[in-house]
Amino acid sequence: DADVTQTPRNRITKTGKRIMLECSQTKGHDRMYWYRQDPGLGLRLIYYSFDVKDINKGEISDGYSVSRQAQAKFSLSLESAIPNQTALYFCATSDIGTFYNEQFFGPGTRLTVL
Amino acid sequence: TQLLEQSPQFLSIQEGENLTVYCNSSSVFSSLQWYRQEPGEGPVLLVTVVTGGEVKKLKRLTFQFGDARKDSSLHITAAQPGDTGLYLCAGDASSADGLTFGKGTHLIIQP
Repeated sequence: DADVTQTPRNRITKTGKRIMLECSQTKGHDRMYWYRQDPGLGLRLIYYSFDVKDINKGEISDGYSVSRQAQAKFSLSLESAIPNQTALYFCATSDIGTFYNEQFFGPGTRLTVL
Repeated sequence: TQLLEQSPQFLSIQEGENLTVYCNSSSVFSSLQWYRQEPGEGPVLLVTVVTGGEVKKLKRLTFQFGDARKDSSLHITAAQPGDTGLYLCAGDASSADGLTFGKGTHLIIQP
């Protein structure tokens, strides 16, 4: 079974719709992250969380919000989706006990905003 | 903002050839990681280098961290089709934040 799961794996939506992407992990890690990946731009950090009460903005947080419902769950919301949010979205985890911030990624969600 | 520049962006070679991928920055990183990503999947960690000048080997893959901890290279010996994928380097400037990723090198090994 996968340690980091993401749902849905694919989603097509329309401009202006609210979308939630969900991430669950069984690794027992405290830190969770949301990245987006665009061709030619690489992976960019949207939000990250070190525990349930800690939420931090990343490089490109505008237009996104997150919720850390439990240690194992971290969801990403697009309140009003727009076409330039079309991208691959990845959730990742890391263990607070490791010094090097090595990350474990989920399989990704491909989001298309029409 | 720390930037990591990867080169080349694309590389297509024949099976059995050797290749080197580079990851360069003007910033110092406490550690640098290499990930490999296949289509439809998330990146998977290959290695972490920490000490300036460090060399790590993973079968036919050799990873090196620059002496000043600003750059790294990945060398693949006798490449095989199974090495095909997107190779990403990522720097950790502080354990308090997420990683800074390079844009990746798309590697294709042709049989």
